[in-house]
Amino acid sequence: EVQLVESGGGLVQPGGSLRLSCAGSGFTFSSYWMSWVRQAPGKGLQWVANIKQDAGDIHYVGSVKGRFTISRDNAKSSLYLQMNSLRPEDTAVYYCAREGGGHYSDYWGQGTLVTVSS
Amino acid sequence: QSALTQPASVSGSPGQSITISCTGTSSDVGVYNSVSWYQQHPGKAPKLIIWDVSNRPSGVSNRFSGSKSGNTASLTISGLQAEDEADYYCCSYTTIRTWVFGGGTKLTVL
Repeated sequence: EVQLVESGGGLVQPGGSLRLSCAGSGFTFSSYWMSWVRQAPGKGLQWVANIKQDAGDIHYVGSVKGRFTISRDNAKSSLYLQMNSLRPEDTAVYYCAREGGGHYSDYWGQGTLVTVSS
Repeated sequence: QSALTQPASVSGSPGQSITISCTGTSSDVGVYNSVSWYQQHPGKAPKLIIWDVSNRPSGVSNRFSGSKSGNTASLTISGLQAEDEADYYCCSYTTIRTWVFGGGTKLTVL
């Protein structure tokens, strides 16, 4: 059974940093593109970033470029999102998702809440 | 990249059919057959229900179908059931190699 489990969320002050992790199991992690998608409280989904199997191709939404860094460790079947210079508008549930062989996410984690507030 | 345009809400009675539209541009929906749809119940993670415009993942009811014409994609749910009440999001790949979601549509089953 495919499972994705996020961790690392919490409360952080504006300008602070946080590192999210996502542990994958039940599939060959190194064979899939992976993504982060976020959802602000009461709002819709927003794609954040994705990363190729070998980390050789990475893309970000404009609003996080230069502040967030996506990475992966295939040996640990883990995906990461380093978030720096956090802003209140980054407050959201962050989901880790597997890309299913095309431009879509076929499995999602349960999400981890990041709150940016003083 | 602006969000794709979806109606904020739609409603229907049990057994009826509804269609949710998703309008993009020639930089996303109009140029790729990479439109997907997700169902999200309150407090839950999104669930993939349609990929590449009209394909259903294994285990998803055939009451869900997708299509596309020009810059607009559509999700149709036939034979509405109470369990279909949820938020629905479309998503498209874009020419700048990012993804863009729609604003979401709340489906109410009357």
